[in-house]
Amino acid sequence: AQTVTQSQPEMSVQEAETVTLSCTYDTSESDYYLFWYKQPPSRQMILVIRQEAYKQQNATENRFSVNFQKAAKSFSLKISDSQLGDAAMYFCAYRSHSGGSNYKLTFGKGTLLTVNP
Amino acid sequence: SAVISQKPSRDICQRGTSLTIQCQVDSQVTMMFWYRQQPGQSLTLIATANQGSEATYESGFVIDKFPISRPNLTFSTLTVSNMSPEDSSIYLCSVLADNQETQYFGPGTRLLVL
Repeated sequence: AQTVTQSQPEMSVQEAETVTLSCTYDTSESDYYLFWYKQPPSRQMILVIRQEAYKQQNATENRFSVNFQKAAKSFSLKISDSQLGDAAMYFCAYRSHSGGSNYKLTFGKGTLLTVNP
Repeated sequence: SAVISQKPSRDICQRGTSLTIQCQVDSQVTMMFWYRQQPGQSLTLIATANQGSEATYESGFVIDKFPISRPNLTFSTLTVSNMSPEDSSIYLCSVLADNQETQYFGPGTRLLVL
């Protein structure tokens, strides 16, 4: 079974600075998807960024980028120019690429990000 | 991405009762899912709601406790039956995007069982 580990329960960053959230995962599959979701106090789960394992290029979405290291099974999220609105719980998630009934997302325990003004 | 709504947004219930949560999507989707997020915890998949057939439940979740309906491609319900305080959680529905890659989530239903 796949597992996702987020080793940082809490992180803090100063507004306008950069922060990196860590995520590692364990799988025997070669093709899969990785996601970062954010959950602000409103509890809405919002997709931040997605990475396909077969793509070597790291995904980017505006101020958000990932460092995907497939051999190391590592998938960190970098937030540049942090804003107060980035404060949230961030979840790393894994999904097998194979279809059928296996669309299940496996989540890490989350990292609570605080942004200090 | 699809626009997903859930009703109710929150509820306080007495133990032994049941609550039905609705999930409505603004477009037809093939796959819908129900997740549970216990206080301070991550999300755990309860089941996949299949249109026209029974839901597929994950280990540790059973139909008698969490019956699910999926009458069409835009709507699903999750019932939490015979509730106990341990059922106090946020319940979220999600849908699989057309590209079959990404899941988008509804706003969640916060349930407190006394």
